[in-house]
Amino acid sequence: KNQVEQSPQSLIILEGKNCTLQCNYTVSPFSNLRWYKQDTGRGPVSLTIMTFSENTKSNGRYTATLDADTKQSSLHITASQLSDSASYICVVRGWDSGYALNFGKGTSLLVTP
Amino acid sequence: EAGVAQSPRYKIIEKRQSVAFWCNPISGHATLYWYQQILGQGPKLLIQFQNNGVVDDSQLPKDRFSAERLKGVDSTLKIQPAKLEDSAVYLCASSFRQGGSYEQYFGPGTRLTVT
Repeated sequence: KNQVEQSPQSLIILEGKNCTLQCNYTVSPFSNLRWYKQDTGRGPVSLTIMTFSENTKSNGRYTATLDADTKQSSLHITASQLSDSASYICVVRGWDSGYALNFGKGTSLLVTP
Repeated sequence: EAGVAQSPRYKIIEKRQSVAFWCNPISGHATLYWYQQILGQGPKLLIQFQNNGVVDDSQLPKDRFSAERLKGVDSTLKIQPAKLEDSAVYLCASSFRQGGSYEQYFGPGTRLTVT
């Protein structure tokens, strides 16, 4: 069973609008959580990384939040641009998973004009 | 700083044929990873190297997949013989050291289609 679940599976929004992507995980104990952006035909690129003691982390128009108690994270995109169209992947590392990362299936975001 | 390089970018083969992928990590990165990403899913770790030693290959189908990193730099991943279900993007990533605090940098991937 996948220990990282993302929702929605896909999302279409108009350029300029905001959106929020969700990530729920069961990985425990928890070490850190990353959000990656993966453009079509490219490898994932890290947007943010948060440890259990961090509640929020921003990277430009991207803001990630983390609630380690409820094991939930969100990625908020402000004033979306066409270039934000991509897959967004939540990745969680636990202390007892060696050095392996637990990947979600991703949310596919399409920003339309 | 040059990124992770992979080749080829695309490969189409028939089932039961063999194929090899090449990866050149970021200079100085000791840890190298191979992932398989099936369409619509997140990457799945196949094998992890620390220098030229294998750290984790628990999810590598060893009856048909093999990987090596002989000199602790470049790496090759081979599939022999290929099956239809091997159709996926094969991503190579590298990090300065192993451990969750070190960021993994991904290459562009090799898209494999098995017909």
